[in-house]
Amino acid sequence: EDQVTQSPEALRLQEGESSSLNCSYTVSGLRGLFWYRQDPGKGPEFLFTLYSAGEEKEKERLKATLTKKESFLHITAPKPEDSATYLCAVQAQGSSNTGKLIFGQGTTLQVKP
Amino acid sequence: DVKVTQSSRYLVKRTGEKVFLECVQDMDHENMFWYRQDPGLGLRLIYFSYDVKMKEKGDIPEGYSVSREKKERFSLILESASTNQTSMYLCASKDSNLPQHFGDGTRLSIL
Repeated sequence: EDQVTQSPEALRLQEGESSSLNCSYTVSGLRGLFWYRQDPGKGPEFLFTLYSAGEEKEKERLKATLTKKESFLHITAPKPEDSATYLCAVQAQGSSNTGKLIFGQGTTLQVKP
Repeated sequence: DVKVTQSSRYLVKRTGEKVFLECVQDMDHENMFWYRQDPGLGLRLIYFSYDVKMKEKGDIPEGYSVSREKKERFSLILESASTNQTSMYLCASKDSNLPQHFGDGTRLSIL
């Protein structure tokens, strides 16, 4: 069964304290792995897509990496405005026509000034 | 920029009512999705549509139906609302190899 597990569930950091969020997945052929950011009361906002092991994507203080079993979202010197829930999702090869995603439960990040 | 608009941000309905949630996208996307999001359970797919009048069940379709009469509009219908359908409902759309884009959600309370 295709599955996505994110850890930790919640993470508290001080401003400037770098850390990583983990997304472990089991899927019958990975077509793509997606990272989203969700602010309270809003819908998820797309951040990155990763397609193959070894691939990396960066945006401001965020860097996403991918291996054959997991993805990491590295946050370097976070600021309070980085506080949000970060969602990981995978698309399996069999769902290439529909774009169906399987989501993890998310990691809620709080960055304190 | 893709815009996915959900008709209501907050909705309160009574048990047994028929409830309609509307979603409109402005990018001529083929695929549209309805999810519900609950604490500790993440996003779960209810139904999706890959073309006008075409639909497929997601992981939790029981108690729901959908309608897609026009490409830009995808409606979620709660046939007879129950309290366990109180949730945040999210609509998304996508096309070809692009990622899914989400609306801001409808927080639905069933009393």
